[in-house]
Amino acid sequence: DAGVIQSPRHEVTEMGQEVTLRCKPISGHDYLFWYRQTMMRGLELLIYFNNNVPIDDSGMPEDRFSAKMPNASFSTLKIQPSEPRDSAVYFCASRVGPLNQPQHFGDGTRLSIL
Amino acid sequence: RKEVEQDPGPFNVPEGATVAFNCTYSNSASQSFFWYRQDCRKEPKLLMSVYSSGNEDGRFTAQLNRASQYISLLIRDSKLSDSATYLCVVKGGGGNKLTFGTGTQLKVEL
Repeated sequence: DAGVIQSPRHEVTEMGQEVTLRCKPISGHDYLFWYRQTMMRGLELLIYFNNNVPIDDSGMPEDRFSAKMPNASFSTLKIQPSEPRDSAVYFCASRVGPLNQPQHFGDGTRLSIL
Repeated sequence: RKEVEQDPGPFNVPEGATVAFNCTYSNSASQSFFWYRQDCRKEPKLLMSVYSSGNEDGRFTAQLNRASQYISLLIRDSKLSDSATYLCVVKGGGGNKLTFGTGTQLKVEL
């Protein structure tokens, strides 16, 4: 079975540019999570969706960040305009049903903003 | 104070050693607890859930102390392949969010 698929795997772009990260959750999973990981702060939850509806976006750092889930098989995380401090690994994860089920993470997108 | 705190390590141990990691959490209403493992430049993966009575999975034993808000992971007879970062993960009192610790790095050496 295909796992969570993220694209791109790596992104290097200049400050001020728009960045769009993409995620395809595991088919049948009704929860989707976006995380950011840095050495200093570890893994931080940015936002999560249940049945395509954003439930909690309190972790989104500021208005430059936005996330959408137009259907059950696709989500995007957009940063506009990007800044060097946004450099991190961004993970998407999905889960089915109750919390005791594991979250399955994608391979992550390594983002570098110059 | 961070919601979930771990000693970052690294813990350098010889193959075959027993090693223990600790984790404390700040929200006394936390309900569910997990250990995830993350290999270098890879995604986190669930290692095991942590149950109130403690639980074991092969060489791995997890313990929970609700009174002290403390979770532990014990690895016996450590293998080279156990080298990774171990993330302590806590679900708060409400919602479906998991809070991850920053991880403890383990290096098992010959």
